[in-house]
Amino acid sequence: GAVVSQHPSWVICKSGTSVKIECRSLDFQATTMFWYRQFPKQSLMLMATSNEGSKATYEQGVEKDKFLINHASLTLSTLTVTSAHPEDSSFYICSARPPRTGNPRLSKNIQYFGAGTRLSVL
Amino acid sequence: AQKITQTQPGMFVQEKEAVTLDCTYDTSDQSYGLFWYKQPSSGEMIFLIYQGSYDEQNATEGRYSLNFQKARKSANLVISASQLGDSAMYFCAMRDTGGFKTIFGAGTRLFVKA
Repeated sequence: GAVVSQHPSWVICKSGTSVKIECRSLDFQATTMFWYRQFPKQSLMLMATSNEGSKATYEQGVEKDKFLINHASLTLSTLTVTSAHPEDSSFYICSARPPRTGNPRLSKNIQYFGAGTRLSVL
Repeated sequence: AQKITQTQPGMFVQEKEAVTLDCTYDTSDQSYGLFWYKQPSSGEMIFLIYQGSYDEQNATEGRYSLNFQKARKSANLVISASQLGDSAMYFCAMRDTGGFKTIFGAGTRLFVKA
């Protein structure tokens, strides 16, 4: 079954509105989660690293005020695309890696991904 | 800086035959991990196989094996007995053991022909 849950899987919104995407680790506590963006036929680009209880670390070129990240608990990180515009339309996908100790079923080496969210901004 | 290179934008393979997807990497770290993920048209990223830089043997997971050549900095994925369901994008990825970030290659689209 899924190890990381992402919701919603698809969202269509009007330009200027904000969209929130949730990422949950189901079988482990994740102090760190990662948000990626993927344009059609391209690879995954890391946007930011979400840290539980502290500020997210953004990659160069990613607007912090545009892509708000909140990691309020050990199992939930949210990405909010604020004032979305058509150029923000993309596939957003989150991931997390299990801690060294914890669920023995999960490998600490593997980064598990959510199913992704397709955002279309009209 | 770390880098992953996948030089094959697309590959075709006949059903039931084996196929090799190329991946080379560049890092100055001594300890790192290499991964392959499969991304079908649905978009989900499916973990396939992992190879640690200190692992002496090549990793295998069912029909997947990783041809790890450390000196050449290559980590090719071999899929044996290809199936139609193997048609997808395949990404090679790397993470240094001390860090958190995982970087991905450009991907290779595999087409399995009946």
